[in-house]
Amino acid sequence: KQEVTQIPAALSVPEGENLVLNCSFTDSAIYNLQWFRQDPGKGLTSLLLIQSSQREQTSGRLNASLDKSSGRSTLYIAASQPGDSATYLCAANNAGNMLTFGGGTRLMVKP
Amino acid sequence: GAGVSQTPSNKVTEKGKYVELRCDPISGHTALYWYRQSLGQGPEFLIYFQGTGAADDSGLPNDRFFAVRPEGSVSTLKIQRTERGDSAVYLCASSLLGVRSSYEQYFGPGTRLTVT
Repeated sequence: KQEVTQIPAALSVPEGENLVLNCSFTDSAIYNLQWFRQDPGKGLTSLLLIQSSQREQTSGRLNASLDKSSGRSTLYIAASQPGDSATYLCAANNAGNMLTFGGGTRLMVKP
Repeated sequence: GAGVSQTPSNKVTEKGKYVELRCDPISGHTALYWYRQSLGQGPEFLIYFQGTGAADDSGLPNDRFFAVRPEGSVSTLKIQRTERGDSAVYLCASSLLGVRSSYEQYFGPGTRLTVT
């Protein structure tokens, strides 16, 4: 059974810092891995999806990497802004159907 | 085009009552998923539909929970004899399946269920 862990659970940084969020998974036979953003009381917004054959994906100030062999993914946020404050969730997709989510990292970027 | 929509956005019900939660997926998406998110936790899988049939319902917690998708589009999650522990945000997602699909899942805004 797939298990996904995210570290740290919470993170507070000053505006402008570069930061890394970590995600680890136990079953490396994944189809893809998705990173989501969730604002308080809202649904999930997909940020990046990395296919199992890919090593990384980039979108603007976000870069996600995937190392299947070690069961790890990282989300790198460059030049953080207060508007980046949210909970970030990673989710592993095995066999192209259900997602297994980590517990999330609550990010606070202080002006 | 329109994203995944869910109704109602909020539902308050008394313990023991029956509730229905509705999900409208993105048009043309053949796969539909229900997840449940408790406060401070990541979403947990409940059930997955491919077309009209439930391909995987292993996440449903017990037989009080049931979901249907009779025409392969809209889905309804039904909860009988609600309990306070059922209080959570119920999220729906859809994705396009097929050889060229990335299997990316798109989520709706969720229904916040409160059982008093």
